Amino acid sequence: EVQLQESGPGLVKPSQSLSLTCSVTGYSITSNYWGWIRKFPGNKMEWMGYISYSGSTSYNPSLKSRISITRDTSKNQFFLQLNSVTTEDTATYYCARGNYYRDWGQGVMVTVSS
Amino acid sequence: DIVMTQSPFSLAVSEGEMVTINCKSSQSLLSSGNQKNYLAWYQQKPGQSPKLLIYYASTRQSGVPDRFIGSGSGTDFTLTISDVQAEDLADYYCLQHYSSPFTFGSGTKLEIK
Repeated sequence: EVQLQESGPGLVKPSQSLSLTCSVTGYSITSNYWGWIRKFPGNKMEWMGYISYSGSTSYNPSLKSRISITRDTSKNQFFLQLNSVTTEDTATYYCARGNYYRDWGQGVMVTVSS
Repeated sequence: DIVMTQSPFSLAVSEGEMVTINCKSSQSLLSSGNQKNYLAWYQQKPGQSPKLLIYYASTRQSGVPDRFIGSGSGTDFTLTISDVQAEDLADYYCLQHYSSPFTFGSGTKLEIK
């Protein structure tokens, strides 16, 4: 059974960086695609980007140059970094597997506030 | 970006009734290479993460009850839930994964009378 688990700070100050980890068990991240999706208060969902089995990445242009998705294959983890956050980045962040997101983590709520 | 227009915003039905949720894309989601529509449907119950219901517009994910039916092609897609149960209370979203950036519909809140 594939399991994904997000972890990271629940509170980030404006202008700082948000860093999250997705730990995967039951499946190698060197296969398939691995994405980050967020859900804002008010329920809008936004696809942020993915990292592929080969390590290539694709990002939502709306995030411009603020986003980076990387991985550590030895730990079977992949990471999200979002720079220069504002209160608009307050959301629940999910990691998910696949090109149509068959499996999801439980989500981590991140609040951007001073 | 492909815009996904989802309707209705919310609906309230009694158990046993049927509901339809629609998603319309601003561009075709049909791949000419494999004739698949790159459209998925998700259910998100309160306090839970999204759950994949349907992929490639009409293929039901393993374990999903057969009263969830996905249909449509090109730019117009529908999720039909027949014989609605109390456990179906949730938000429902469509997602196009045809082209980057992938985009979600705005969501439909299903309430049970």
